[in-house]
Amino acid sequence: ILNVEQSPQSLHVQEGDSTNFTCSFPSSNFYALHWYRWETAKSPEALFVMTLNGDEKKKGRISATLNTKEGYSYLYIKGSQPEDSATYLCASINDMRFGAGTRLTVKP
Amino acid sequence: GAGVSQTPSNKVTEKGKYVELRCDPISGHTALYWYRQSLGQGPEFLIYFQGTGAADDSGLPNDRFFAVRPEGSVSTLKIQRTERGDSAVYLCASSLRGSTEAFFGQGTRLTVV
Repeated sequence: ILNVEQSPQSLHVQEGDSTNFTCSFPSSNFYALHWYRWETAKSPEALFVMTLNGDEKKKGRISATLNTKEGYSYLYIKGSQPEDSATYLCASINDMRFGAGTRLTVKP
Repeated sequence: GAGVSQTPSNKVTEKGKYVELRCDPISGHTALYWYRQSLGQGPEFLIYFQGTGAADDSGLPNDRFFAVRPEGSVSTLKIQRTERGDSAVYLCASSLRGSTEAFFGQGTRLTVV
């Protein structure tokens, strides 16, 4: 079973700040990694699927990178907005295990 | 349906009672996952179905928890002799076989009093 770990557990930033957080995973037998955004009272929304070492994906102000050799992925948010407040989850596709998430709060 | 549907959306039950939570996956999705999300935690994997069979049930916490998917579509998560610690949001997700993207339902919030 893969152990997916995320850090930090929570993050508070001011509107306009850029931020990033980490998902780490055992690099052996890697297949793919998912990033999800989960707002309170809604279902998790898929952001990115990362498969190749060196992958870099972008959606608006949010981007993600992947290093399969060292077993980590970074999620970046540029110019955070209050609507970015959510829990950001990563999951190993091998077995669909999730990390505990990073809870982001963006203060206006 | 258009998305993954979970019913009920909220369930309050007394300690010791039996509950069933239902998940209707997206039509044609052969893979179905159940998760439990407790306050302040990420989704905790419970069980994974591929078709009618449970491909991985290693996340079920104990024998009070059981899930079925008899026809390879709708799944029911069954919890016997509920305990207060079972209170959580139970999420269901489905995906196409071989796909790397899963789609989630809105979850069932279970409260055991």
